[in-house]
Amino acid sequence: GESVGLHLPTLSVQEGDNSIINCAYSNSASDYFIWYKQESGKGPQFIIDIRSNMDKRQGQRVTVLLNKTVKHLSLQIAATQPGDSAVYFCAEIPETGANNLFFGTGTRLTVIP
Amino acid sequence: NAGVTQTPKFQVLKTGQSMTLQCAQDMNHEYMSWYRQDPGMGLRLIHYSVGAGITDQGEVPNGYNVSRSTTEDFPLRLLSAAPSQTSVYFCASSEDLIGNSPLHFGNGTRLTVT
Repeated sequence: GESVGLHLPTLSVQEGDNSIINCAYSNSASDYFIWYKQESGKGPQFIIDIRSNMDKRQGQRVTVLLNKTVKHLSLQIAATQPGDSAVYFCAEIPETGANNLFFGTGTRLTVIP
Repeated sequence: NAGVTQTPKFQVLKTGQSMTLQCAQDMNHEYMSWYRQDPGMGLRLIHYSVGAGITDQGEVPNGYNVSRSTTEDFPLRLLSAAPSQTSVYFCASSEDLIGNSPLHFGNGTRLTVT
């Protein structure tokens, strides 16, 4: 399954499939990007981050891809599990040294057993 | 480690009342911040602190005060609550400046102002 960030705020995938959640950003000077997962009634939980000098970073079952040319960030979740159901936010630091993270509005991922 | 602890979890206020949302972290993090989360708007920064005795305004500071007398605690004060302050409030901390290390969030305080 695949979503296009702010324009498709929900994504449903079958358990075991791979998920791709997309995020567009507007500031070409943005230096640092983070993906967070938020489950109902809880605070955002850090998943993975990437700096602007990288185009790919892998974690456990997750991969973040950064395309600076088109200012696009994606989160790939391999073998999606029911426990992955949550809202996923991308966040960016607008410039080096800034003290604010700017968050997107999120994508709700629903895993269908 | 408990991480970032916020109290209370829920609060209902009447317009004009004051209250303090508590936030404590046990990770010895220098950076702490407060965000509010409203439907369809993501999280927005209210105030932040880069260390004890230092605070600064974020994106939406009006109606809120903060202080940072210790590394561990970063309370958020509403002096005269307004219905527009109905929201979920999250406190977060990080080991270093947020461009160097990720933010760790508490589980939030859900505030309703009637």
